[in-house]
Amino acid sequence: EDKVVQSPLSLVVHEGDTVTLNCSYEVTNFRSLLWYKQEKKAPTFLFMLTSSGIEKKSGRLSSILDKKELFSILNITATQTGDSAVYLCAVGDGSSGNTGKLIFGQGTTLQVKP
Amino acid sequence: IAGITQAPTSQILAAGRRMTLRCTQDMRHNAMYWYRQDLGLGLRLIHYSNTAGTTGKGEVPDGYSVSRANTDDFPLTLASAVPSQTSVYFCASSDGGRGGEQFFGPGTRLTVL
Repeated sequence: EDKVVQSPLSLVVHEGDTVTLNCSYEVTNFRSLLWYKQEKKAPTFLFMLTSSGIEKKSGRLSSILDKKELFSILNITATQTGDSAVYLCAVGDGSSGNTGKLIFGQGTTLQVKP
Repeated sequence: IAGITQAPTSQILAAGRRMTLRCTQDMRHNAMYWYRQDLGLGLRLIHYSNTAGTTGKGEVPDGYSVSRANTDDFPLTLASAVPSQTSVYFCASSDGGRGGEQFFGPGTRLTVL
């Protein structure tokens, strides 16, 4: 059975800290790995990774994929209270006959204290 | 309309009642999805549609049905609601690329008593 597992499930840090969120997966037909940020309502897209070892970066956030070891990490440097959210990892299922189905992990709840 | 809209925003429903959650997108995306989100379980796929006129079952389809009469609309129906269907429901769409980015609606919070 395909699955995506995130760790830790929750994390509390102080402003300025650096955090690393983990996502491991076992998906038969891997297509891509995506990270989303969810605050009050809808998840918003952060990154999509398809190739191993190529870091994607956006401001203080960065992510990298290891397709050999089947995991990805999301780094946030110099955290701010506005980074408090649930971070979702999802793997795109590339099975023939489906269009872009995503398999989500449980999410990591990050709280950044002032 | 910009992106994906869902209605209602929230609903309290008596068990046994029928309910349809609405989802409309204006991005002309081929693929649409319905997820439910429960604490500790993340987002789980209920049903999906690759193109207008086709639908498929996701991970947790029981008790739900969908239709896709046109590109823009993808309603989710609970024929006879049960308390275990209390959840937050998200509709999403993508442009059809396999494993590509999905855009999410604002969600519907449903409580079944």
